[in-house]
Amino acid sequence: GGIITQTPKFLIGQEGQKLTLKCQQNFNHDTMYWYRQDSGKGLRLIYYSITENDLQKGDLSEGYDASREKKSSFSLTVTSAQKNEMAVFLCASSNGWDEQYFGPGTRLTVL
Amino acid sequence: GDSVTQTEGLVTLTEGLPVMLNCTYQTIYSNPFLFWYVQHLNESPRLLLKSFTDNKRTEHQGFHATLHKSSSSFHLQKSSAQLSDSALYYCALLSNTNKVVFGTGTRLQVLP
Repeated sequence: GGIITQTPKFLIGQEGQKLTLKCQQNFNHDTMYWYRQDSGKGLRLIYYSITENDLQKGDLSEGYDASREKKSSFSLTVTSAQKNEMAVFLCASSNGWDEQYFGPGTRLTVL
Repeated sequence: GDSVTQTEGLVTLTEGLPVMLNCTYQTIYSNPFLFWYVQHLNESPRLLLKSFTDNKRTEHQGFHATLHKSSSSFHLQKSSAQLSDSALYYCALLSNTNKVVFGTGTRLQVLP
């Protein structure tokens, strides 16, 4: 078994601020993903990475940067937080042609 | 590009009635993987079912689905809904791009 850890659990930011979310996995999975989920809504892919130092844009990449520093970690940066923005950011990992395992999420609130 | 279409919005059922959540997909890849994920309130999504074999029924926790490549479908079914089945259900497709495409999700609400 393995686990995905996301930090922080809760993130409160100011409008215009640059905010970084971190994700670590110990499954030894190749592929990692960042999703955004707005309240009661579906998952939207922001970025994914199929190996260390690889980055692929998802449907919602504008306004975000990502970094796959090493196989086990994948960071997401909100480049300029939008006022009144509220969402949960979910990190996931998978081993090629297999299921994704999701982390517990980071809940973002922008004041 | 690849896409997944699910039953829209909210499906409300009375406990004990059968569940069917529709999922159809589009891809040019001939051997896609299809998944159903479930997300309960205040939890993260987790895998419910997966399949890549045409016309083979796959089952887990009382739910079942069969991948039909001829109709590009992977509908989720259960014979008798339980209150604890209330959740958000996602159908997802993995093709040769190594990128998973999720449907918009279907919220299932089971009432007593």
